[in-house]
Amino acid sequence: EVQLVESGGGLVKPGGSLRLSCAASGFTFTNAWMSWVRQAPGKGLEWVGRIKSRTDGETTDYAAPVNGRFTISRDDSRNTLYLQMNSLNTEDTAVYYCSTGSKAAAGTSGDWGQGTLVTVSS
Amino acid sequence: DIQMTQSPSSLSASVGDRVTITCRASHDINIYLAWYQQKPGKVPKLIYTASTLQSGVPSRFSGSGSGTDFTLTISSLQPEDVATYYCQKYNGAPFTFGQGTRLDIK
Repeated sequence: EVQLVESGGGLVKPGGSLRLSCAASGFTFTNAWMSWVRQAPGKGLEWVGRIKSRTDGETTDYAAPVNGRFTISRDDSRNTLYLQMNSLNTEDTAVYYCSTGSKAAAGTSGDWGQGTLVTVSS
Repeated sequence: DIQMTQSPSSLSASVGDRVTITCRASHDINIYLAWYQQKPGKVPKLIYTASTLQSGVPSRFSGSGSGTDFTLTISSLQPEDVATYYCQKYNGAPFTFGQGTRLDIK
């Protein structure tokens, strides 16, 4: 059974940084393309970014609002995905989900974690 | 970037009704459109990719479309279908979501 467990969320001041982690199990993490999706309180889903597998170049892509501020990385030896968030602002307040999906539908999210809440406030 | 627009933003229907939600892409995305269901307080669930129903999803759900216009249809609305539905393009990054359609029971 696929399990994705996010951690690292919390309260941070505007301009601050935070690193989220996502521990993966139940599937071959090294082959997986992983994504981060966020959801602001009471709002819709927003795709944040994606990292391909090492064999596919570990390429990353980001949504425009986070490009240049957020960095996705992975540690295949620890089956863990990361999201480094810098220069945070109040619009980054959201539940952050890590997700994965099939390569046949790369970019979609068939499996999700429970999410971790990031609150950006002074 | 390609924008995804869903309509309506919300709708209310009766049990047994046929319900249709529309998603429109600002440019051609071929068949690469996914649908998600998010029940209140729950994690989103993938229900369709490229008009293929995901395993375990009731057959009353169906999807269609290609190019820029797509639809998700529930043939006979059930109480457990109360949720917000999102479309997402996946023909290439960014994998943008629509703004969501909130569905409830009249």
